[in-house]
Amino acid sequence: NAGVTQTPKFRVLKTGQSMTLLCAQDMNHEYMYWYRQDPGMGLRLIHYSVGEGTTAKGEVPDGYNVSRLKKQNFLLGLESAAPSQTSVYFCASRAGDLQGNYGYTFGSGTRLTVV
Amino acid sequence: DQQVKQNSPSLSVQEGRISILNCDYTNSMFDYFLWYKKYPAEGPTFLISISSIKDKNEDGRFTVFLNKSAKHLSLHIVPSQPGDSAVYFCADQAGTALIFGKGTTLSVSS
Repeated sequence: NAGVTQTPKFRVLKTGQSMTLLCAQDMNHEYMYWYRQDPGMGLRLIHYSVGEGTTAKGEVPDGYNVSRLKKQNFLLGLESAAPSQTSVYFCASRAGDLQGNYGYTFGSGTRLTVV
Repeated sequence: DQQVKQNSPSLSVQEGRISILNCDYTNSMFDYFLWYKKYPAEGPTFLISISSIKDKNEDGRFTVFLNKSAKHLSLHIVPSQPGDSAVYFCADQAGTALIFGKGTTLSVSS
């Protein structure tokens, strides 16, 4: 059982380039999230999805787009990368029915550097 | 304004002693607060949670206390171990997503 898988794990982009980060979960979770972690800033919510075909903005959505065409996948796109988007990106998922620890599962992260 | 505040960026504790990590919140309507632990190059992992109807929740060496009047919660680790050295995040289950504090880096020396 892989849980939440993020690809790629590392990437270096030039300013203005585009890329897509892929998050895949095999737990049949309804909810999926993209966070970014920056030094001294904690984890900030970029976008999230409450089910297949739905997306919503989080705290820091500017410069990013997302898609949830399949329930198991949540894609995060950068159309024109900027140095300010240098960060570690984490994907998370959880079931729609909240229980106990709220069942959030995080991926191991994608370290993105924009030069 | 930050919804969840962790005002101490770092904490150093000796092995065997108590570690106390603090978190303040502004939201008056909440269901759960959660604590996550994060090692370098790994994703956050769930540690312990507390619901709004409780004042305390305990799981082994980890205890979380909630003071609703002060809008404050704290995580106690007793006894602290070197393997506890990590970044600890307080998180508020706000609506459909977790809102995180900035984290506190705990260093436990042997």
